[in-house]
Amino acid sequence: DAGITQSPRHKVTETGTPVTLRCHQTENHRYMYWYRQDPGHGLRLIHYSYGVKDTDKGEVSDGYSVSRSKTEDFLLTLESATSSQTSVYFCAISELSNEQFFGPGTRLTVL
Amino acid sequence: QKEVEQDPGPLSVPEGAIVSLNCTYSNSAFQYFMWYRQYSRKGPELLMYTYSSGNKEDGRFTAQVDKSSKYISLFIRDSQPSDSATYLCATYYGGATNKLIFGTGTLLAVQP
Repeated sequence: DAGITQSPRHKVTETGTPVTLRCHQTENHRYMYWYRQDPGHGLRLIHYSYGVKDTDKGEVSDGYSVSRSKTEDFLLTLESATSSQTSVYFCAISELSNEQFFGPGTRLTVL
Repeated sequence: QKEVEQDPGPLSVPEGAIVSLNCTYSNSAFQYFMWYRQYSRKGPELLMYTYSSGNKEDGRFTAQVDKSSKYISLFIRDSQPSDSATYLCATYYGGATNKLIFGTGTLLAVQP
């Protein structure tokens, strides 16, 4: 998985609780992305980062925030989880070649 | 209308068959096209990457882009059970942010 780890790999939480997912890379790539994958929707971009402390919104950013304080770490936070945020979350990284490399995913269930 | 459309399948073929996977896109500004393969419960992995129209071949895989009809295809020759996966097409406009737009994916099953 191109030196990308995601934690936790699985999480079950309750509606209204905050959740933070972590993406860690060892490739020193500039760009990092958070996607969610749902049946019938494919991969949808939540937020992305183009450098330390530089982030921007993607297609489905409502209810999510991100932070990137170091090149290697990109955090995705659900401030108050809802059942509609039950999904599989993937982190991806890329450099100038625009080829994105994906992590193993985090399976999140919000009850 | 979604920017990238892909038939979700599932597509089931016998081992050794030629597989054709297809996507259409709506915006003629798209310049780069990719195919990702995703095994069950794994992250997507880049399979093929093409720019502009024409064919690109890599082993048993051929990616084809027809910009005039906004159609992209992935052909798999001599398909194997290990090719069973979901195949996602993707594209992007170009530029610095590398934001990709994905199709929904086609689930392929190659029967031994």
